[in-house]
Amino acid sequence: AQTVTQSQPEMSVQEAETVTLSCTYDTSENNYYLFWYKQPPSRQMILVIRQEAYKQQNATENRFSVNFQKAAKSFSLKISDSQLGDTAMYFCAFMKLDSNYQLIWGAGTKLIIKP
Amino acid sequence: DAMVIQNPRYQVTQFGKPVTLSCSQTLNHNVMYWYQQKSSQAPKLLFHYYDKDFNNEADTPDNFQSRRPNTSFCFLDIRSPGLGDAAMYLCATSRDHSGTGQPQHFGDGTRLSIL
Repeated sequence: AQTVTQSQPEMSVQEAETVTLSCTYDTSENNYYLFWYKQPPSRQMILVIRQEAYKQQNATENRFSVNFQKAAKSFSLKISDSQLGDTAMYFCAFMKLDSNYQLIWGAGTKLIIKP
Repeated sequence: DAMVIQNPRYQVTQFGKPVTLSCSQTLNHNVMYWYQQKSSQAPKLLFHYYDKDFNNEADTPDNFQSRRPNTSFCFLDIRSPGLGDAAMYLCATSRDHSGTGQPQHFGDGTRLSIL
């Protein structure tokens, strides 16, 4: 069975700093997908970034980028030039290719951006 | 804008009194999901629909039922809510492209309180 581990329950950084959220996972699959979702307080869960395991190139979306290390089964999220609006719960999630659409979720990291 | 809409945002019901939560989508996605999310935890999948095919998670209590009368709407029925069912309920959708890791799109959620 697949598992996803987020080892940092809570982090806080100053506005404009760079922060990295860690995520590791366990699987025997070779092809799969990885996701980072953001859930601001009392607001909608939204997709931040998606990575295809068969692509070696790390996914990037504006200030958000990942460091995908397939051999190490690591999928960390880097947020550059952090903004107050980045304050949220961040969830890492795993999807098998033949998962029947199911996501395996990490426990989440609460990120607080301080002014 | 295409979206996933959940009504109501907040729902209060009495212990044991049936309650229905609703979800609609304008994305025309084949797959719809219901999640239960308790405070600061990852979402827990209750069930999902692939078109009209219903897929129940093995550990979803019988107290929870769902209906999907058409592509756009999906309902979560809690037949006899207990105090432990107080939570945020999230509806999500995704496109039908098996094996391509389609991301899920979430509504704002309904926060259910039990008196």
